[in-house]
Formats: sequence, structure tokens, C-alpha cells
Amino acid sequence: DTAVSQTPKYLVTQMGNDKSIKCEQNLGHDTMYWYKQDSKKFLKIMFSYNNKELIINETVPNRFSPKSPDKAHLNLHINSLELGDSAVYFCASSQDLTGGQPQHFGDGTRLSIL
Amino acid sequence: SQKIEQNSEALNIQEGKTATLTCNYTNYSPAYLQWYRQDPGRGPVFLLLIRENEKEKRKERLKVTFDTTLKQSLFHITASQPADSATYLCALCTTSGTYKYIFGTGTRLKVLA
Repeated sequence: DTAVSQTPKYLVTQMGNDKSIKCEQNLGHDTMYWYKQDSKKFLKIMFSYNNKELIINETVPNRFSPKSPDKAHLNLHINSLELGDSAVYFCASSQDLTGGQPQHFGDGTRLSIL
Repeated sequence: SQKIEQNSEALNIQEGKTATLTCNYTNYSPAYLQWYRQDPGRGPVFLLLIRENEKEKRKERLKVTFDTTLKQSLFHITASQPADSATYLCALCTTSGTYKYIFGTGTRLKVLA
């Protein structure tokens, strides 16, 4: 059973398009995250949600809009895709917001902008 | 400025030896520090967590130390095996307002048979 699953695994699209990435966790966790990993493998937090409420919103263009319909799901919608958006996007979850919790990551969505 | 650095981008060691990976940070006061393993094409996998008031943590062949004076964590893999080859990431938990993890750039470890 996959704990944190993301779809799609690969996404190839043209500049200017709008796309969504979906994430689901079956761990019963309260907190979910989106991270971006660039070509140099640097993993940077974008957003975190706790019980469907936005907690962390890093300096991310407002073309990126997360949505959490329930605490098991956190989707990411990206408008007007740009070349610089090409990266691997990881979803993660943790038991709650307290700092000592391990994060469980999905296997990533590889986004390529043509 | 705030920075997290992991020693070398790549580290090659002989099977059976101890691998030591370094995580140095500046201008942070982390309450927690975590280590993750990442294999190609996969998401990071949690390995160990250490709190600011702990000096050392162990789990099987893994050992983590945390020196808040030196602002450094060391991650050791004893009796290393080729299957330990992966990228290892350290992550600091900051508490400015809310808990947030900042990741280092990782060290790619290769254990040679």
C-alpha cells in the first residue's frame, strides 16, 4: 500500500498551459506539504497544510495554488506554466505540525515545460 | 544569510568502512534535525531525527550526532554496503512562527564493492 501517492508521475507540457498535480496520503496524517526539487537536487518547501488549513506559504508565484479538499488530499494547480517551473514536485505528509515528526514523501511528479 | 551545507557533493568509500557525512549550518537555531535517504527517481525516506538537547542517536548501523555549538551534525553509516549507495539529505527544523524544514543539498554516497 502506497502511503503518499502523487499523480501523474510525469508531466510534459507547453509553456503557458495550466496543469494540476494530485496527492493523497493514507497514513491518517494531519499535515501535508508540497516541495520543489530543482535540477541541482535542492529540495525547497512551497506550502504546508494542517487539517485543510494553509499554514506555510513560501515565496511562491501566485500562479501556484494549492487546494486541500480534505486532510488526506493536497493538490497543486499551476497556471501559465513557465520554463523555470520545470522540476520535480514532491508531496509529503507528517503526523502533525510539531517539529519532531518524520515526513513521508511521495515519489514525485517530474514536470517538464517545452 | 542562512545556509545549510553538506560536505561533499559526492563521497566514495570502500565496502565495510564507515561513511561519515557532514551537515553544517549558519544562522539557524534548529529545534530538530533529520536525516533522509533519497534514491534516484524516488522521494526522500526518513532515517533519523535528533533533538537540539540530544548529542547522539543510533539506529542499527546508523548514528547521528548534533553539536549546536559547532552548528554541525554528523551522520555515520558503519559497516557500509553497496546497498547504502544513495543521496543523503539533512533537514533542519526552524521554529520562526511555525515549524518548517529546510533541506541541505545532499551528499551522494557510493559504496564500492
